[in-house]
Amino acid sequence: AQSVTQLGSHVSVSEGALVLLRCNYSSSVPPYLFWYVQYPNQGLQLLLKYTTGATLVKGINGFEAEFKKSETSFHLTKPSAHMSDAAEYFCAVTRSLSGTYKYIFGTGTRLKVLA
Amino acid sequence: DAGVIQSPRHEVTEMGQEVTLRCKPISGHDYLFWYRQTMMRGLELLIYFNNNVPIDDSGMPEDRFSAKMPNASFSTLKIQPSEPRDSAVYFCASSLGQGQYGANVLTFGAGSRLTVL
Repeated sequence: AQSVTQLGSHVSVSEGALVLLRCNYSSSVPPYLFWYVQYPNQGLQLLLKYTTGATLVKGINGFEAEFKKSETSFHLTKPSAHMSDAAEYFCAVTRSLSGTYKYIFGTGTRLKVLA
Repeated sequence: DAGVIQSPRHEVTEMGQEVTLRCKPISGHDYLFWYRQTMMRGLELLIYFNNNVPIDDSGMPEDRFSAKMPNASFSTLKIQPSEPRDSAVYFCASSLGQGQYGANVLTFGAGSRLTVL
């Protein structure tokens, strides 16, 4: 069965500092991996996704994530945090060879950016 | 496209009342999902449809919950009777099926915040 673990329900960084949000997955087949962002009072929006090919994936707003099979990780990074990055971030995994398809979301990490 | 449209945005009701949440997916999308979000349990998939047919309803908490998709442009999630523990934000999302099964991107609505007193 697939699962996703996000380490740290809350992360605080200073404006201009590196953002690192951690995601580890468990999957019996090569996974498809996603990061979504949720701003207050809104639905989730896609930041980036990995399906196949290049393991370093670039997304919107300067975010990127690297798929590391050996570590079963898909951590999200951004070199320099901006105040507008304050939001909740969700990692998700989905992949099934059985003909069904289900997104499994992590519990989310709330990012706070300090001035 | 206006995106995924959900109504109502906020609903306050009393225990025992029937609640109906509505969703209009993006035109042309063939998958529709209902999620529930709470502080305690995070995002939970309740049910999803493909081409208006329910595929997996294993996340529906109990018989009080039901979902329908009578056509490609409309879905409802009904709770009858409602209970205080049903208080949550309910999200509808839709996606377009592609060749790589499971690689679809979900587009979420803004959510319906339900409070059951």
